[in-house]
Amino acid sequence: NAGVTQTPKFRILKIGQSMTLQCTQDMNHNYMYWYRQDPGMGLKLIYYSVGAGITDKGEVPNGYNVSRSTTEDFPLRLELAAPSQTSVYFCASHRQGAAQYFGPGTRLTVL
Amino acid sequence: AQSVSQHNHHVILSEAASLELGCNYSYGGTVNLFWYVQYPGQHLQLLLKYFSGDPLVKGIKGFEAEFIKSKFSFNLRKPSVQWSDTAEYFCAVIPMDSNYQLIWGAGTKLIIKP
Repeated sequence: NAGVTQTPKFRILKIGQSMTLQCTQDMNHNYMYWYRQDPGMGLKLIYYSVGAGITDKGEVPNGYNVSRSTTEDFPLRLELAAPSQTSVYFCASHRQGAAQYFGPGTRLTVL
Repeated sequence: AQSVSQHNHHVILSEAASLELGCNYSYGGTVNLFWYVQYPGQHLQLLLKYFSGDPLVKGIKGFEAEFIKSKFSFNLRKPSVQWSDTAEYFCAVIPMDSNYQLIWGAGTKLIIKP
């Protein structure tokens, strides 16, 4: 199993640009999450999904959108990038009640 | 609201010192408990977990944690730390009769002086 994979690893955006952060897991996990981690801070939940076709907002959803058309994929969309979205983004997945597995992260800088 | 508290945001120890990081949660029902570690520049990795059974759980790299239900605690311990243990440590809880969402503590930054 590849586990949780994320692309790209690094990206620099200009203010107002849009992009999609990709996340794929091959463990058939129903639960998937997007977190952001700002320098020196803990994780903040952006969006999560409990299964294909079901998504819900987390703690900091503004400026982001998600979709979950398949069990494997959970892309995160930034429509109008802002400097406040400069962060490291982690995708995670898990089975119900079990530990989360994390992807390697995407380091995003908005200038 | 359910929450997880990690009492120390920063801990600095010398090599070979003993470590205990506190974690308390606020939920009265059944929980699954986790400790994750994040080494500098890396993503989070599972250190250990507790679902049921023996409340003393052993994880990787010599870490262990004890679940004390009466105190709603799941403290992380290591008898003798190494410089390579420098990392951030996160406690997390899943309330088992809710929506199974993982609730995170704010993390504890551990620095080991060589």
